[in-house]
Amino acid sequence: NAGVTQTPKFRVLKTGQSMTLLCAQDMNHEYMYWYRQDPGMGLRLIHYSVGEGTTAKGEVPDGYNVSRLKKQNFLLGLESAAPSQTSVYFCASSSTPTGGYGYTFGSGTRLTVV
Amino acid sequence: ELKVEQNPLFLSMQEGKNYTIYCNYSTTSDRLYWYRQDPGKSLESLFVLLSNGAVKQEGRLMASLDTKARLSTLHITAAVHDLSATYFCAVDLSGGSNYKLTFGKGTLLTVNP
Repeated sequence: NAGVTQTPKFRVLKTGQSMTLLCAQDMNHEYMYWYRQDPGMGLRLIHYSVGEGTTAKGEVPDGYNVSRLKKQNFLLGLESAAPSQTSVYFCASSSTPTGGYGYTFGSGTRLTVV
Repeated sequence: ELKVEQNPLFLSMQEGKNYTIYCNYSTTSDRLYWYRQDPGKSLESLFVLLSNGAVKQEGRLMASLDTKARLSTLHITAAVHDLSATYFCAVDLSGGSNYKLTFGKGTLLTVNP
């Protein structure tokens, strides 16, 4: 069972470069989320999706864009990376709003912007 | 302000001792989640508490929810080294309408021999 798969696992970017993080889930979940984790800050929601073709802003959306063209995939884009976007990014999915059984998390992407 | 507060944020305890982690949240919610994260790893679901008075137990961990007090506790009984990890609570603060969880900052638990 693959669950939630994130690619890449690690990436180093230069300031101003762009990149896309991919999240894929094979559980037929409707709801998908992108969080960032920073020391001492817990997890903060960037964007989320309640179904194919939908996206919504979370707590810290600035500097990021997302797309959910297919139900199983949720892409997070950084158009012009900044050092403040150095973080660990987690994707999660759930079958119900807020997850009656909790979220299923991916393994994370560690991004460093220099 | 909608927020979830955990305390303590850092907890160092000896093996065999008991302790409690607290999770307070700022607005009405009837569901709360506890997660565990090992260093450099992802988050693993521990408990899902879906109603007032809910109590769940797994091994040396027991979680409870008091929705009237807006408080959940994670109680550790006779700690062992393997419980060393960061523990997060998460709450839906929107009343169920916004489909997302707000996480606390986490409690870093270190269990020493």
